[in-house]
Amino acid sequence: GIQVEQSPPDLILQEGANSTLRCNFSDSVNNLQWFHQNPWGQLINLFYIPSGTKQNGRLSATTVATERYSLLYISSSQTTDSGVYFCAVINTGTASKLTFGTGTRLQVTL
Amino acid sequence: DAGVTQSPTHLIKTRGQHVTLRCSPISGHKSVSWYQQVLGQGPQFIFQYYEKEERGRGNFPDRFSARQFPNYSSELNVNALLLGDSALYLCASSLVQGYHEQYFGPGTRLTVT
Repeated sequence: GIQVEQSPPDLILQEGANSTLRCNFSDSVNNLQWFHQNPWGQLINLFYIPSGTKQNGRLSATTVATERYSLLYISSSQTTDSGVYFCAVINTGTASKLTFGTGTRLQVTL
Repeated sequence: DAGVTQSPTHLIKTRGQHVTLRCSPISGHKSVSWYQQVLGQGPQFIFQYYEKEERGRGNFPDRFSARQFPNYSSELNVNALLLGDSALYLCASSLVQGYHEQYFGPGTRLTVT
C-alpha cells in the first residue's frame, strides 16, 4: 500500500516563530488532507489540497502531486498551535480510504 | 450545523466483552468511515459505508463489523474484545463515496481491561 512519511517527527518552537512541515507519499493520490489533532483527540480539518496552494490565515499549504509531496506552513506560531499534525491521502483506486502519515508533534512555548 | 457526533465519549470494557460505538454524520453526508487510532500512531482505516453498503474494509479481524442505517448513521461493533483493541475510535463523514473531503467526529475512547 501507499506509504506516507512526515518530517520532522517532533518540533519545538518559540511563540512567533515560523515552521514548515513536510509530507511525502509513495504513489499517486486523489485526495490529500492536513489535520491538526488537539490534546483531546479531535482531528480538525486544516486543508483539503490534492494539488496546488491554499492559504487560511496564518496557515498555508502546497501540494506538488507530480513530485509526491505536500508542505504545511505555519507562520507566527501560537501556543494554541501545539498538537500533532497529520497528513492523510487517498491513493488513486482506493476510494475513501484515508492513509495517514506518521505525524509531526509540535510544541509551541512562550 | 452540527458536525459529526459520536457516542459514547468514553467506554471501559473487560476482555471478551462486546462493544457498540455509534456515529451520526454531518447532515446531508451519505458516506461514513471508521478509523482506529492507538496511542502514538496515526488513525488506521477500518470500514467505509455508503448508501448502507460496505464499500471498503481495512486489515482488521472479523471481530470488527459495522452497519449503516437508512438515516446514514452508523454503528461499529467489536466482539470478543482484546486488550489490544484499546484505542480511540474515530468516525468520519463525507458527502458521497470517493475522494471528497472527510470530516471527523470527536471519537470514542475505548479501554479494555
